[in-house]
Order: sequence, then structure tokens, then C-alpha cells
Amino acid sequence: DNVLPQSPTTMAASPGEKVTITCHASSSGIYMNWHQQKSGTSPKLWIYDTSKLASGVPDRFSGSGSGTSYSLTINTMETEDAATYYCQQCCSTPLTFGSGTKLEIK
Amino acid sequence: EVQLVESGGGLVQPGRSLKLSCAASGFTFSNYYMAWVRQAPKKGLEWVATISTSGSRTYYPDSVKGRFTISRDNAKSSLYLQMNSLKSEDTATYYCARRDGSYWGQGVMVTVSS
Repeated sequence: DNVLPQSPTTMAASPGEKVTITCHASSSGIYMNWHQQKSGTSPKLWIYDTSKLASGVPDRFSGSGSGTSYSLTINTMETEDAATYYCQQCCSTPLTFGSGTKLEIK
Repeated sequence: EVQLVESGGGLVQPGRSLKLSCAASGFTFSNYYMAWVRQAPKKGLEWVATISTSGSRTYYPDSVKGRFTISRDNAKSSLYLQMNSLKSEDTATYYCARRDGSYWGQGVMVTVSS
């Protein structure tokens, strides 16, 4: 089963709160992508190459990590950030995604 | 503007076949590995197939190997997924995407049910 463990599975954060989501890769020496998905829509690339923000992504988001441990951080939670976030081990075969973290606004 | 537009989804009986298509535009299609990714209702993302730039190499997870075939037509900037011997567990929204995850289509629903 090529699903990367993500934690937490679900969480709720208040506006202004700092949020961190973690993902554990199956091997080291990879780049990690993060995708944001809102209900009823397709995933959108959010962070690529571990720490680079995709076009249009607010700079309150950041990505970091090395080895097999990676994270997505929101410095100050905003209402529009409520979504499900998936990590993706990039970019060899098999394509491997994280189990997903559902982030809600408190 | 990059666009990936899937088509061909629908309701199909178990054991039958269906072919999905994805029309790409806004980038040089032949330069990119492409993939199909699916999402069962209220579930996470699952990789289904990957194809190399020329189409000479294809990759599948065990869950669909031998039943699904990914192909491409670079002259038409199109990606395909032939799905045979469909099972109820193949019910999902199927997304066409660049392998690096940089762009995704809007998705097409496939429902396998009698």
C-alpha cells in the first residue's frame, strides 16, 4: 500500500493560529509536493520541491523537510485555508500520495 | 493557460469496459510524463497509471495492472485510460494530471454498479 502517513488526520484551527501538518516519506532523497483540495474540486499544487510555493499561494504557507520527514506550515490560519491537504512524493514511480489531512476552521 | 479536460466517464456494469480521455492544452504535451489518479467517494488520492513522454513506458499499481491501459497521442495532445473488467471498487473520480502534480483536470466520475 503506497500511502504516505500524514498527521494529523483531521484538525481544527482558529483564525490566526499556527498549523503544522507532517508527512513521512517512504525513502529519503526525494522532493515533496503538497496539494490543497477543497470539497467538490480537483487538487491544486500548493507547495513543490519541498519548500517552493506554487503560483498564487499566500506566503503564510511554507514547506520544509529532509530525509523522510516533511511538513507544511501555515503561519497564521485564515478561513480560506480550510481544506484537505495531501503530500505527494515526487516524482518517480509509483506515484505516492499521503493519506490526507482535513483542516477545518474553529 | 494549461488545461486538462477529461471525458468519457459514466455508469457501467461490473465486468464491462470504459475508456477515459483527457485533452491537454496550454503546454507542450509531448514533453511531460502524464498520469491518471483516482479518488473514491470521501477517500484519498490513489495513483492509477503513469506514461512516459513517448508512450513507450507505462506503470501501474497492482490494483489495476492487467485491467487498465494508459496511452497517449502526442499529435493530438491527448491522454487515454482504457479500463476493462471493471469492479465496484473502481468507482471514483478519475483525474488526468501531469506526473509532477503541477496541473490536474477537473475530474470525471466513473460509477461501476449493476
